[in-house]
Amino acid sequence: DQQVKQNSPSLSVQEGRISILNCDYTNSMFDYFLWYKKYPAEGPTFLISISSIKDKNEDGRFTVFLNKSAKHLSLHIVPSQPGDSAVYFCAASGIQGAQKLVFGQGTRLTINP
Amino acid sequence: SQTIHQWPATLVQPVGSPLSLECTVEGTSNPNLYWYRQAAGRGLQLLFYSVGIGQISSEVPQNLSASRPQDRQFILSSKKLLLSDSGFYLCAWTSTTVSQYFGPGTRLTVL
Repeated sequence: DQQVKQNSPSLSVQEGRISILNCDYTNSMFDYFLWYKKYPAEGPTFLISISSIKDKNEDGRFTVFLNKSAKHLSLHIVPSQPGDSAVYFCAASGIQGAQKLVFGQGTRLTINP
Repeated sequence: SQTIHQWPATLVQPVGSPLSLECTVEGTSNPNLYWYRQAAGRGLQLLFYSVGIGQISSEVPQNLSASRPQDRQFILSSKKLLLSDSGFYLCAWTSTTVSQYFGPGTRLTVL
């Protein structure tokens, strides 16, 4: 049972444009959501997070939006840069204790010059 | 500042051989520790987590085991590797925040 889903395995965006990565979840008990960025052969790095009491969190070029009624979150990157090319994972927390995270399958973002 | 180390970085092992991957964390006390695996083209699968010395919880029944002999040391082991154990193994830690911080990973290839 995939509780966190990233339905787009890949996304290609022109440099300077907006990248929008999407994530859906099924369990309404999740109360904290995170986005990670991963380069090949490296560990994921934390990007940005959002608590379920908010609907938006912004950090520089990165903004995460949360729609609790739709059980949907998205990561917006504006403007997109070549260094943003990586695999992006969304993750959710809050229902299983021990601060465990449930990860989506990841979306490979490619920024074209 | 906190640092997480994993070794080795890459490993090629024959089927049936043993495995030992090590993870250590510096700069924090009593962290929660986690082992994940990323198989080719797949997401991150939580294998084990630990909330303290000697406390191990298994998420997925498999050919692997974990141990935490010291507060900031987490070891992933196997007595006999299978082909399906190939993947990218990641150790992570967290303390007071929900965000987990990952090590550089170990690429394991079982032949």
